Amino acid sequence: GESVGLHLPTLSVQEGDNSIINCAYSNSASDYFIWYKQESGKGPQFIIDIRSNMDKRQGQRVTVLLNKTVKHLSLQIAATQPGDSAVYFCAEIYNQGGKLIFGQGTELSVKP
Amino acid sequence: DAGVIQSPRHEVTEMGQEVTLRCKPISGHDYLFWYRQTMMRGLELLIYFNNNVPIDDSGMPEDRFSAKMPNASFSTLKIQPSEPRDSAVYFCASSLQGYGYTFGSGTRLTVV
Repeated sequence: GESVGLHLPTLSVQEGDNSIINCAYSNSASDYFIWYKQESGKGPQFIIDIRSNMDKRQGQRVTVLLNKTVKHLSLQIAATQPGDSAVYFCAEIYNQGGKLIFGQGTELSVKP
Repeated sequence: DAGVIQSPRHEVTEMGQEVTLRCKPISGHDYLFWYRQTMMRGLELLIYFNNNVPIDDSGMPEDRFSAKMPNASFSTLKIQPSEPRDSAVYFCASSLQGYGYTFGSGTRLTVV
């Protein structure tokens, strides 16, 4: 049969706008979450993390929100720039030091 | 720190040949992970080590795949014999006590 690749969700935003990337995680017992950015030809790059005892964490231009009730994670990027164009992955970890399991990713495209 | 170092960056081999991928984790990190990334399946965890001991190899696809970590500064992922469906980008990552997961630049493997 014919192989079908993953169809990544795509978010297209205008330069300077804010971006919100969403992620549904799978394990209600996951206690640590990370957002990664992956540019073409490169490995995943750490952006920001959050532990399950928090519901919000801010970094430089980025904010992660965690809603454990509905197992939802979001990444907000303020004043999105062309250099932010990449695929963004959320990853969850169940028990410290355990498996880091990735979601399917969202492709962010920033229009100048 | 030079980060996680993987070699080679690219590998092209013929079906049936043995392939060895190499990884040097960040000095002092006690966890090491091997991932495979394809368009079909995204980022999959193959195996991970803690203090050089394999903890979970449930993601290793077949007996053709094996991984070793003879010391804290070196790990290998071996495929023997290789098949075209093994073509993918293989990433190594390391972390310290379950935090700060850092990825290498990956090895792009093509099996023809």
